[in-house]
Amino acid sequence: KQEVTQIPAALSVPEGENLVLNCSFTDSAIYNLQWFRQDPGKGLTSLLLIQSSQREQTSGRLNASLDKSSGRSTLYIAASQPGDSATYLCAVRGARGGADGLTFGKGTHLIIQP
Amino acid sequence: DTGVSQDPRHKITKRGQNVTFRCDPISEHNRLYWYRQTLGQGPEFLTYFQNEAQLEKSRLLSDRFSAERPKGSFSTLEIQRTEQGDSAMYLCASSFGGNTEAFFGQGTRLTVV
Repeated sequence: KQEVTQIPAALSVPEGENLVLNCSFTDSAIYNLQWFRQDPGKGLTSLLLIQSSQREQTSGRLNASLDKSSGRSTLYIAASQPGDSATYLCAVRGARGGADGLTFGKGTHLIIQP
Repeated sequence: DTGVSQDPRHKITKRGQNVTFRCDPISEHNRLYWYRQTLGQGPEFLTYFQNEAQLEKSRLLSDRFSAERPKGSFSTLEIQRTEQGDSAMYLCASSFGGNTEAFFGQGTRLTVV
């Protein structure tokens, strides 16, 4: 059974810092990995999708990397801003027969101090 | 198209009542997913449809839960005889095919009192 772990569970940094969020998964047989942002009481906003054949994806100040063989992904946020404060979720879509839905980690709760 | 839409946004119900939620996916998306999220946890997969066919159900989906997507467009999720443990955020997502970006709605927050 696929398990996704996100470290750290919570992070508080001053505005302007660069930071890295970590995601690991136990089964490397995946189709893709997706990073989401979730504001309190809201739904999920897709940030980046990395296919299993890709190593990284970039969008603005965000860069996500994928090392499928070691079961790891990182989300790099450059020049953090208070508006980046949210919970960041990592999810994988497994490639083995059976569950087709995404398997999520518990998220990293990020606070950017003004 | 304004993305995935869910209705209602909030629902408070008494234990034992039935509730129904609706999800309208992005119009060209053939896959529709339901997830449940409790406080401090990531979303957990419940079920998904490809067009009108329900192809998979999680073991989390007890027999009190039923989902439909009658014409391959919107979907409904019904919970019968609600229990306090059903209190959660119910999220809907859609995608075009199984290996593309999934887009989520704003969710329906259910509180069972």
